[in-house]
Amino acid sequence: SQTIHQWPATLVQPVGSPLSLECTVEGTSNPNLYWYRQAAGRGLQLLFYSVGIGQISSEVPQNLSASRPQDRQFILSSKKLLLSDSGFYLCAWSPGVGYTFGSGTRLTVV
Amino acid sequence: DQQVKQNSPSLSVQEGRISILNCDYTNSMFDYFLWYKKYPAEGPTFLISISSIKDKNEDGRFTVFLNKSAKHLSLHIVPSQPGDSAVYFCAARGNAGNMLTFGGGTRLMVKP
Repeated sequence: SQTIHQWPATLVQPVGSPLSLECTVEGTSNPNLYWYRQAAGRGLQLLFYSVGIGQISSEVPQNLSASRPQDRQFILSSKKLLLSDSGFYLCAWSPGVGYTFGSGTRLTVV
Repeated sequence: DQQVKQNSPSLSVQEGRISILNCDYTNSMFDYFLWYKKYPAEGPTFLISISSIKDKNEDGRFTVFLNKSAKHLSLHIVPSQPGDSAVYFCAARGNAGNMLTFGGGTRLMVKP
């Protein structure tokens, strides 16, 4: 069966520290992968998407970057976190019409 | 420019009554519309979808209506239950492959 894993579930990081969030998909190959962020009280903002290894498209300029080192692995990173990076980060993949989302990571930058 | 809009940030409904969540879009090239439900600290889960060639799709207590001429879709939940309390996102597909464009969400509160 196809599953998506995202970790960690929660993270508290100081301003200026680095970030690495990981997402992996099982049971499929060459999935389209996405990173979204939901800021407090806001909607879902698309950050990055990838249609293959090493192929990353950025939707908004920001303090974050993404990488896809393997077919089913998608990583969200930052070299130096800002307070405004706090939010709920979601990884997703598209098995067909629509997405399947991971369980999310609550990031609090302090 | 927001291509998918949910103009009501919140909605409160009594248990057993109908909940109607609305969504408007501007891009006539969207070919699929979906609704997702999201509980706090969890990822959104798929609820129901509709193809642009249809005007209604029903799944149990959930019905989605599509009015293409008005570029409007709505989600009806009948009867509403306290467990339906969540944030609901509408989404549309069509810009690039399977990519979805999401609305801002509507928080539904169903009171017992």
